[in-house]
Amino acid sequence: QKEVEQNSGPLSVPEGAIASLNCTYSDRVSQSFFWYRQYSGKSPELIMSIYSNGDKEDGRFTAQLNKASQYVSLLIRDSQPSDSATYLCAVTYGNEKLTFGTGTRLTIIP
Amino acid sequence: SAVISQKPSRDICQRGTSLTIQCQVDSQVTMMFWYRQQPGQSLTLIATANQGSEATYESGFVIDKFPISRPNLTFSTLTVSNMSPEDSSIYLCSARGGYEQYFGPGTRLTVT
Repeated sequence: QKEVEQNSGPLSVPEGAIASLNCTYSDRVSQSFFWYRQYSGKSPELIMSIYSNGDKEDGRFTAQLNKASQYVSLLIRDSQPSDSATYLCAVTYGNEKLTFGTGTRLTIIP
Repeated sequence: SAVISQKPSRDICQRGTSLTIQCQVDSQVTMMFWYRQQPGQSLTLIATANQGSEATYESGFVIDKFPISRPNLTFSTLTVSNMSPEDSSIYLCSARGGYEQYFGPGTRLTVT
């Protein structure tokens, strides 16, 4: 059974610091990796996708993928209180359904 | 990216009745999905809505309880049938175009 694991948190980070969110997955053939942000009472919002090893940067967000070690991470630089949310890691292969982690609750402390 | 709308956004229903949730995508997409999310929990996939054929249901979900239609590449409906309080949840429509998958705003259902 395919599994995606995340630390459920809560993860508390001071405002302005770097928040680091981690995710491991069990299926070696996984090829597409996503990070979703979900505010309380809202639906998940896609914030990053990554498909090859290495780093992908988008504004204050950097996704890192290491297929050999089967992990994907999300770094949030200069954390803001508006970054406080639950972050969901999701993994898939081809046209298969997404497998979601249980999410990490992030709190940015002003 | 795909923009997804859902109707209704919320509803309060009586036990034993049915509710149909509509999902509209602003562009043609290859795949559409229906999820359920309980408060504080992660997403649970109910089924994949297949255009022109029967939906593909996940373990624990059956067509008689959650009939799904997908008449074209931009629209799908999910019906929650013979509702009980245990069906109270947020129901989310999702669509994939290419590799990326997006979510609608959700329908908050309360069954009394």
